[in-house]
Formats: sequence, C-alpha cells, structure tokens
Amino acid sequence: DTGVSQDPRHKITKRGQNVTFRCDPISEHNRLYWYRQTLGQGPEFLTYFQNEAQLEKSRLLSDRFSAERPKGSFSTLEIQRTEQGDSAMYLCASSDRQGTGYTFGSGTRLTVV
Amino acid sequence: GDSVTQMEGPVTLSEEACLTINCTYTATGYPSLFWYVQYPGEGLQLLLKATKADDKGSNKGFEATYRKETTSFHLEKGSVQVSDSAVYFCALIQGAQKLVFGQGTRLTINP
Repeated sequence: DTGVSQDPRHKITKRGQNVTFRCDPISEHNRLYWYRQTLGQGPEFLTYFQNEAQLEKSRLLSDRFSAERPKGSFSTLEIQRTEQGDSAMYLCASSDRQGTGYTFGSGTRLTVV
Repeated sequence: GDSVTQMEGPVTLSEEACLTINCTYTATGYPSLFWYVQYPGEGLQLLLKATKADDKGSNKGFEATYRKETTSFHLEKGSVQVSDSAVYFCALIQGAQKLVFGQGTRLTINP
C-alpha cells in the first residue's frame, strides 16, 4: 500500500475560480478526513466520511466548499468561487473504523492569487 | 470545546542539547494524545501517542507522558540531532476520531 495519496500537490488559481482536490485513502480504511492548515497554524478539521456517508462538517466548511466520497473509496474536495483566504494546505487522512492507523497524505497546497 | 496549547516557537538548539516542548490540553472525558512531526515539504507523521493516563509514548528517542493531573503531554528528547529539525504538533482525539491540533512548534537544530 502506498499510503494516502493527494492530487495535485500544488494548485495556483485566480480568485473566483473553482478548484477540486482528490484524495485516495489507504484501501482498507473506511474513514476519510479533510483538514485545512494555514501558515503557522496546526491543521483544523473540516469534515469526515465513514464509507460514503459524510458524518460531520465543521463550521469552517462554508457553502462554497463541498466534499464527496461517492463509492466509499476516493474523495474530492471542491471549493467554488475561491477567495484569497482559501489559500492553505489541504490535508487528507484515513483510518479504520476504530481510528487505528490514522495516516495523513502529503497535502495539496492551494494558492489563490 | 476541546483545545491544545503548545509552547510557542521557534525553538533553536545546538546538536546534542536536551529538548522539551510543552503541551497542555483542555478536554471533556479522556482523550488520546499524540505528537505529530512535519518535515519541510512533507505531510504529518505520527511520532508517538498515549491513550490513557500515565502512559508513556516513545519513538526515535522522543518521549511524552500522559499526565492527567496537569493535563499535559510534554515532548522530550535527551540529545537532539540536526535531522530532528521540523515542526512538531501536539494533538488530541476522542469521540468521532477528529484530531484537534495545537499551533505547532518549529524546532531548528544547529550543528
């Protein structure tokens, strides 16, 4: 297993554009999490899935953000009408149902110009 | 809500010096506690963890003891190396397996 994969590693976009990130979790993990990390801060929880069900969303996840995990495998995080304040590292993690083996991907760094 | 407070950085030490990075937490119930490390350009890696009071987590010469009475989980290493230079995050987890992180402490070790 290659661990948690995120794509792309870096994304530069103009303000107002939409962007989509992908996360491929460890294959046997049924939980998948999204976090956001701004410069000089620790990661902050955004949302998580158990299989294909989105079970919790943070207040940080405004209506411009949407996450999906359609078949309970990979997940996508879309940001619509990006703003400069969306510039951050977006981290994905996965674990089994008991939270064992919690593993992070390398992240997608978003820069909104 | 639950929160984690870490010693502010950056911290700069010479090789072979002793390291302590303070971490305290606020939580209802009995969380599990973690230290994660982030090397430049890389993702978060689990360094060590402790799941109940008085447990000691250890890895790569680093140690941290879960102190319920002081709600602390300080990270320690007796002799640091240049390769330990990174950002260190203290975190807790409980309930729905959502991690709550501190703000991170940047550590630089000079040869």
